[in-house]
Amino acid sequence: DIQMTQSPSTLSASVGDRVTITCRASQSISSWLAWYQQKPGKAPKLLIYEASSLQSGVPSRFSGSGSGTEFTLTISSLQPDDFATYYCQQYNNYPRTFGQGTKVEIK
Amino acid sequence: EVQLLESGGGLVQPGGSLRLSCTASGFIFSDYALTWVRQAPGKGLEWVSSISSYGPSTYIADSVKGRFAVSRDNSKNTLYLQMNSLRAEDTAFYYCGLAVTGPFFDYWGQGTLVTVSS
Repeated sequence: DIQMTQSPSTLSASVGDRVTITCRASQSISSWLAWYQQKPGKAPKLLIYEASSLQSGVPSRFSGSGSGTEFTLTISSLQPDDFATYYCQQYNNYPRTFGQGTKVEIK
Repeated sequence: EVQLLESGGGLVQPGGSLRLSCTASGFIFSDYALTWVRQAPGKGLEWVSSISSYGPSTYIADSVKGRFAVSRDNSKNTLYLQMNSLRAEDTAFYYCGLAVTGPFFDYWGQGTLVTVSS
């Protein structure tokens, strides 16, 4: 199975900050990576697919990059609505696997 | 508008069974693969099982293999998860996910809670 490791687990930031979350795969997954945002009590929401493609309707302050085994999700200017938990997920093969999540908190 | 509505969750004793349903609308159900993902309270996301558009191909996590089975009825626009021999560690919110753009999850249901406890 491909292990997905996110860092950090928790991130404290202020509105307007630039935020970067890293996701590492235990083996190459090419660009077959998605990022999701989840708020308490809600289902996850797709933000990015194929490592860097922005899902329709997602604000342009979100961006993704990387390939192979190392990936990043960047929020260029953190907004109040962005405080949430973020997950990466590989879809290179089965079983599909998620990172453990990164919680973005208010500083 | 795409809608996914899970049902069938509840409280069940260890060793018991439950069948979850995910009823879909707003898209051509038979054209797309579907997935079950679960989340234990306060924990991260765990992929459980996926099924291809016409159901000949299914995939299941090792943690539930031999106990859970995924199926779909394209005539009823419904996805199922049959869960047998339930354990305390199966307690979680169960979400159905729809893959439209690619083999990831563009749309999610609101989830249904399964609690395994005596």
